[in-house]
Amino acid sequence: DAKTTQPNSMESNEEEPVHLPCNHSTISGTDYIHWYRQLPSQGPEYVIHGLTSNVNNRMASLAIAEDRKSSTLILHRATLRDAAVYYCILRRYNNNDMRFGAGTRLTVKP
Amino acid sequence: KAGVTQTPRYLIKTRGQQVTLSCSPISGHRSVSWYQQTPGQGLQFLFEYFSETQRNKGNFPGRFSGRQFSNSRSEMNVSTLELGDSALYLCASKGLAGVSGELFFGEGSRLTVL
Repeated sequence: DAKTTQPNSMESNEEEPVHLPCNHSTISGTDYIHWYRQLPSQGPEYVIHGLTSNVNNRMASLAIAEDRKSSTLILHRATLRDAAVYYCILRRYNNNDMRFGAGTRLTVKP
Repeated sequence: KAGVTQTPRYLIKTRGQQVTLSCSPISGHRSVSWYQQTPGQGLQFLFEYFSETQRNKGNFPGRFSGRQFSNSRSEMNVSTLELGDSALYLCASKGLAGVSGELFFGEGSRLTVL
């Protein structure tokens, strides 16, 4: 199974952009890149996903490398509410068997 | 629109007992997945049900089982509980067909095995 590698933790200052990296060098052509985050004492929540092109939504942007071996989740202006564990996951088409890694724990400093 | 509801939120069992956890998906969602979350292993996929049929299964022993009813509500059962089964059990539902359907997670059922 294709795996992802993320830094264990990152810090950011409030109102500054945050770039969360993810490596997935063994990604296959049918794998979509999904990002979820988990706030304390809550279940994970969907952030964004993409296949090949960069994607934007109201929460974040996803930049995908041309060879698809890495991606970056971009939070344009971090807030204290963005402090969470962020998971980068590869998901095969229509398959809910998503293998979560350890994720990146994001700390946002006021 | 009500979110994914899991019951009970907290429970304590002893080794050897069994436990049943319940998950009510978002109205209209037909896919329900279960995950186990522990500090040591993180989030691990247990199984997925769609229209009352198990569609995918993770690498868990047969003590872990589940089912889905015609109204899409799902239950998971763990028999002969072990200390290592102490975890947060998360349920997620998905509505749209295909990979674009995001998973909506409940808040989980925290199981403690003594």
